[in-house]
Amino acid sequence: KAGVTQTPRYLIKTRGQQVTLSCSPISGHRSVSWYQQTPGQGLQFLFEYFSETQRNKGNFPGRFSGRQFSNSRSEMNVSTLELGDSALYLCASSFGTDNQPQHFGDGTRLSIL
Amino acid sequence: SQQGEEDPQALSIQEGENATMNCSYKTSINNLQWYRQNSGRGLVHLILIRSNEREKHSGRLRVTLDTSKKSSSLLITASRAADTASYFCATQYNAGNMLTFGGGTRLMVKP
Repeated sequence: KAGVTQTPRYLIKTRGQQVTLSCSPISGHRSVSWYQQTPGQGLQFLFEYFSETQRNKGNFPGRFSGRQFSNSRSEMNVSTLELGDSALYLCASSFGTDNQPQHFGDGTRLSIL
Repeated sequence: SQQGEEDPQALSIQEGENATMNCSYKTSINNLQWYRQNSGRGLVHLILIRSNEREKHSGRLRVTLDTSKKSSSLLITASRAADTASYFCATQYNAGNMLTFGGGTRLMVKP
């Protein structure tokens, strides 16, 4: 069975631009979560979507947003990019019920110039 | 801010030796999970231990959980060079699948 697919793998943007990242979960998974990984702050939770509804939200500014489609695919958007947004953005999917492991994609490496 | 801390931050051992990593956390949890990350890649799930469990095994991996001390440990026995990676503990403490990660342990296994 195919794993979690994130596109694109690498992205270079400049300050002030916006970006959209895509995540296709494992077939049958209804929960998709997004994480930001940086050397300084480590792995930080952005948000989780379950059945097209945001179920949890981390402590990030409103420039970070996401959505989930009826086929469980998810996108996250970052507007007005800042240098500090440079990071590896990871998507994880699961069935969404209690005590389930998360399955991660290989991430999108976003670099802001 | 991160839920917990991992100790040590870095660990270097020889092939065949055992590696032990520790994780502490702050709040009551539903479960604690361990993940491995190879450089530049995504995280791979290793073990999930529920709050009412004390020990779990999977192959060469052994995880313990002490909820009274809010701590967990991951033991990798008979380590191999391929075990070289960063290892993260993550806690899940509310409804949904939000995970709060520790800072990770960088493990290097020398052949």
